[in-house]
Amino acid sequence: EDQVTQSPEALRLQEGESSSLNCSYTVSGLRGLFWYRQDPGKGPEFLFTLYSAGEEKEKERLKATLTKKESFLHITAPKPEDSATYLCAVQHNNAGNMLTFGGGTRLMVKP
Amino acid sequence: NAGVTQTPKFQVLKTGQSMTLQCAQDMNHEYMSWYRQDPGMGLRLIHYSVGAGITDQGEVPNGYNVSRSTTEDFPLRLLSAAPSQTSVYFCASSSVGANVLTFGAGSRLTVL
Repeated sequence: EDQVTQSPEALRLQEGESSSLNCSYTVSGLRGLFWYRQDPGKGPEFLFTLYSAGEEKEKERLKATLTKKESFLHITAPKPEDSATYLCAVQHNNAGNMLTFGGGTRLMVKP
Repeated sequence: NAGVTQTPKFQVLKTGQSMTLQCAQDMNHEYMSWYRQDPGMGLRLIHYSVGAGITDQGEVPNGYNVSRSTTEDFPLRLLSAAPSQTSVYFCASSSVGANVLTFGAGSRLTVL
């Protein structure tokens, strides 16, 4: 059974204080690992897909990395507008388009 | 460019009542799915469909019914609502060949 665990559950940062969010996963046959951002009262919004260990992707202040057991979402010099819940999900090789999600990390960036 | 549209946004039901959550997409996506989101439990898959006339169960299908008569629409039916079905429901769609899901804004359901 696929499992995804995200840590920490909540993270408070000062503006400009860089940090990382962790996503540990167990899946027999990874097709892809996904990061989504979710703002309060809204649906998740796609950020990145990573397919193989060693892969990295960047978007503005965010960089996602992948190993065989976990993924990190690095946030460099965050701004208050980066405050959101960040969701990690995995897709199994034989699962079609189905995703297994972690519980999310709620990020709060204070000015 | 509407994307995935869910209605209603909020709904309050009494135990035992039935209702349908509507989901429509205008991107010609073959794959559509319903998730529920509960605090601390992440998003869990209820039902999904890979095309008109084809549906299948996800992780938590009990108490829910779906049908897919058109490519655009994928309604979720609660046959006899229970307090355990209090949750936020999200509809999501994608092309079968592309695995990135596009989510709707969600429907918050409270069952008293």
